Amino acid sequence: GQQLNQSPQSMFIQEGEDVSMNCTSSSIFNTWLWYKQDPGEGPVLLIALYKAGELTSNGRLTAQFGITRKDSFLNISASIPSDVGIYFCAGPSSTGANSKLTFGKGITLSVRP
Amino acid sequence: NAGVTQTPKFRILKIGQSMTLQCTQDMNHNYMYWYRQDPGMGLKLIYYSVGAGITDKGEVPNGYNVSRSTTEDFPLRLELAAPSQTSVYFCASSLTVNTEAFFGQGTRLTVV
Repeated sequence: GQQLNQSPQSMFIQEGEDVSMNCTSSSIFNTWLWYKQDPGEGPVLLIALYKAGELTSNGRLTAQFGITRKDSFLNISASIPSDVGIYFCAGPSSTGANSKLTFGKGITLSVRP
Repeated sequence: NAGVTQTPKFRILKIGQSMTLQCTQDMNHNYMYWYRQDPGMGLKLIYYSVGAGITDKGEVPNGYNVSRSTTEDFPLRLELAAPSQTSVYFCASSLTVNTEAFFGQGTRLTVV
C-alpha cells in the first residue's frame, strides 16, 4: 500500500533553533496533513496542504506540498519548549474500494532549554 | 464541543478476556478510524469506516472487530485479548478522507 516515510525517528534541538522535517512517499498524494501529538494526547492537525507547490504557514510553522506530489516539508522556526512532541505527516491512500487516512511513523522532537 | 469521545481511558484485561472500546462523535462525520499506537511505532490503522453500515480492514485488523450501525458510533471489539494487544488505542473521525481528522483522548489498554 501507499506508505509515508519520516526520518529520523528522533530529533534534538536547542531552544531558539529552527528545525525542518520531511515526509516522502513512493506514491503520489493529493493531500498532505501535518499533525502534532503532545504526550498523553491524541494528534492534532497543524497544517493541511491540498495543492502541489503550496506553501502554508501557521504561526512559526510552515509546510510545503512538494511539486512531485511525493513529498512534503514542515519547518518550525525559533523553537520553544512547548514544541516538544511527535510530528506526523498523513495523507489519504487507496488500497481498495475506499481511501483511508495513512500516517507516517512520526518524528519525536526534543527541545533543550 | 464534545468532538470524539472514547471510553474507557484505561483498562487492564486478562489474557482471553474480551472487551469493547467505545467511540462516539457528534460532528456528523462520515469517516471514522481506529488506530493503535505502540511506543516508537507511529499510528497503525486497525479498521475504518466511510459511513454507517460500511467498514473496512486497515493495516492490522487481526484480533479485532468493528461495527458502524450509526453515524455517531464506531465501537472496537477485542474478542480474545492477547499481550500483543497491549497498546494505546485512538479513535478518530473526519468529514472526508482529505479533511482534518479529530482524535479522541485515547484508551490505554494493558493485557496481562
